Amino acid sequence: EVQLVESGGTLVQPGGSLRLSCAASGFTVSSNYMSWVRQAPGKGLEWVSVFYSGGSTYYADSVKGRFTISRDNSTNTLYLQMNSLRPEDTAVYYCAGGSGRASFDYWGQGTLVTVSS
Amino acid sequence: DIVLTQSPGTLSLSPGERVTLSCRASQSVSSSYLAWYQQKPGQAPRLLIYGASSRATGIPDRFSGSGSGTDFTLTISRLEPEDFAVYYCQRYGTSPRGYTFGQGTKLEFK
Repeated sequence: EVQLVESGGTLVQPGGSLRLSCAASGFTVSSNYMSWVRQAPGKGLEWVSVFYSGGSTYYADSVKGRFTISRDNSTNTLYLQMNSLRPEDTAVYYCAGGSGRASFDYWGQGTLVTVSS
Repeated sequence: DIVLTQSPGTLSLSPGERVTLSCRASQSVSSSYLAWYQQKPGQAPRLLIYGASSRATGIPDRFSGSGSGTDFTLTISRLEPEDFAVYYCQRYGTSPRGYTFGQGTKLEFK
């Protein structure tokens, strides 16, 4: 059974940094396309970043230059380093992935990031 | 960038009814790159349809997807109580590379 478990979400001040983790089981992060998708309170879904199985990474314009996606193949974990956080980054962050690049077969339960003073 | 517009925003329906949800793209989208998700309150989204018309693993056959170009639809042939949720369409793009979601359609009990 595939499980994606996010962690690291918390309350952080504007301008601060945070690293989210997504631990995978029953699923190999390095062999799949892995993304972070966020959802602001009461709002829709917004894609944040993707790590291709081949190693390429891409970002939404709203986070480019501030967020960095990475993976640790030895621990089968995906990360999202978030710097220069803004109140508008407040959201539940989901880890999602699959064998195909076009859609998200599997999702974690999400972790809440709140950016506020 | 391509924008996905879903309509209507909210639908009030009863179990047993048939429903068709619309997802319209501002430019042509490859059918291979169009997906649909269901999200219930407090839960993560669940993949329903990929490649515009292929059901994901474990999805009941009352869910079907169709469309091409700029117009795509998700049809639920007979609503079950557990189908009342928010539905999102999503598109994968190659230039620039990334993903776009529609704003969602909420199915609620009449």
